[in-house]
Amino acid sequence: QKEVEQDPGPLSVPEGAIVSLNCTYSNSAFQYFMWYRQYSRKGPELLMYTYSSGNKEDGRFTAQVDKSSKYISLFIRDSQPSDSATYLCAMSPYGNKLVFGAGTILRVKS
Amino acid sequence: NAGVTQTPKFQVLKTGQSMTLQCAQDMNHEYMSWYRQDPGMGLRLIHYSVGAGITDQGEVPNGYNVSRSTTEDFPLRLLSAAPSQTSVYFCASSYSGGGPGANVLTFGAGSRLTVL
Repeated sequence: QKEVEQDPGPLSVPEGAIVSLNCTYSNSAFQYFMWYRQYSRKGPELLMYTYSSGNKEDGRFTAQVDKSSKYISLFIRDSQPSDSATYLCAMSPYGNKLVFGAGTILRVKS
Repeated sequence: NAGVTQTPKFQVLKTGQSMTLQCAQDMNHEYMSWYRQDPGMGLRLIHYSVGAGITDQGEVPNGYNVSRSTTEDFPLRLLSAAPSQTSVYFCASSYSGGGPGANVLTFGAGSRLTVL
């Protein structure tokens, strides 16, 4: 079993929809949680960063962490065609070695 | 500010050939790492370094070699290329240590390698 599980999709939604992306994990030591966005043929870029449990909001994006359930989510409101990308969850117990999910491909149709 | 620069962007090798993927960063990051990205597998850590002269293995180190002689550069060497090493390779760097923000990786644009 992988340490971090992420549904690879692809997930196809109409413009303006609310998107929910999720990851589950097995290592209870994880305390830093990140979402990276990767456009086609580009390197991943940090989108959201959360420490421990709770919610964090940044514009149309909200990251949620539920450590009791070992479950993290990224919500995108009012999705746009420019949000079409692969979204990677990543997490770490301490330090720099991140464990990544497989990535979910998101397509927002105009 | 260039960030993380990888060369080459594309490379085709024959089985058994060797080559070096170059990575340079100008952010004075202590931590540097190499990942490979394969469909359905996500990013898997190959090797990493926490400073000049210090390297260590990640999840999938076999067939790869690294060294870190300067803070800025972290080359990845393929010793004898195999078709299983066909992948997209990413170099990433960050500040070292365990505090919040220290583990935010900055990635290069990637090097796409095909081994025939």
